[in-house]
Amino acid sequence: RKEVEQDPGPFNVPEGATVAFNCTYSNSASQSFFWYRQDCRKEPKLLMSVYSSGNEDGRFTAQLNRASQYISLLIRDSKLSDSATYLCVVNPNQGGKLIFGQGTELSVKP
Amino acid sequence: DTAVSQTPKYLVTQMGNDKSIKCEQNLGHDTMYWYKQDSKKFLKIMFSYNNKELIINETVPNRFSPKSPDKAHLNLHINSLELGDSAVYFCASSPRASGIGEQFFGPGTRLTVL
Repeated sequence: RKEVEQDPGPFNVPEGATVAFNCTYSNSASQSFFWYRQDCRKEPKLLMSVYSSGNEDGRFTAQLNRASQYISLLIRDSKLSDSATYLCVVNPNQGGKLIFGQGTELSVKP
Repeated sequence: DTAVSQTPKYLVTQMGNDKSIKCEQNLGHDTMYWYKQDSKKFLKIMFSYNNKELIINETVPNRFSPKSPDKAHLNLHINSLELGDSAVYFCASSPRASGIGEQFFGPGTRLTVL
């Protein structure tokens, strides 16, 4: 079983749609969780950290369910510029080692 | 100014050659990393240095040797290149080794081994 699993997609949605991605992780002792965004042929960039209480940043909402070991990302009112690959990232033990999921590809169409 | 820079951006070479990739960060961070992203897009950590000291060394062939001359630089030397080494190699840095905060990635070096 992969340490971090995501549906690779692609998710093809129209502008203005709401889209949700889920991610599961295998290590129940994992401490820190993140969503990174990677544009085509570019480097990954932090989108948001994920906190136990859930957190929101504009159109983006991240949730963590420790009991079920899954993380979600909700994007409301999708924009063309949201087209990218979204990487679920887990830090299993507070060291610097981050475990990346394969990424979920999102394509927002006009 | 670029925060994390890598050179070269593209590297095309023959099997069996030795090559190096350089990375520099001007963020004043203590910790630097090398990641490999293969054709299936999985991004996997290879090495991490904290203040020039190796702290993470994943199961990587010993043909790969990182070197950190100072905490702002982390280079990657690869001996006897193989076809399977073709990938994008990303350097990254973070303020500390804790993994709590953000890691900042360089633009990547696309290595093609022929």
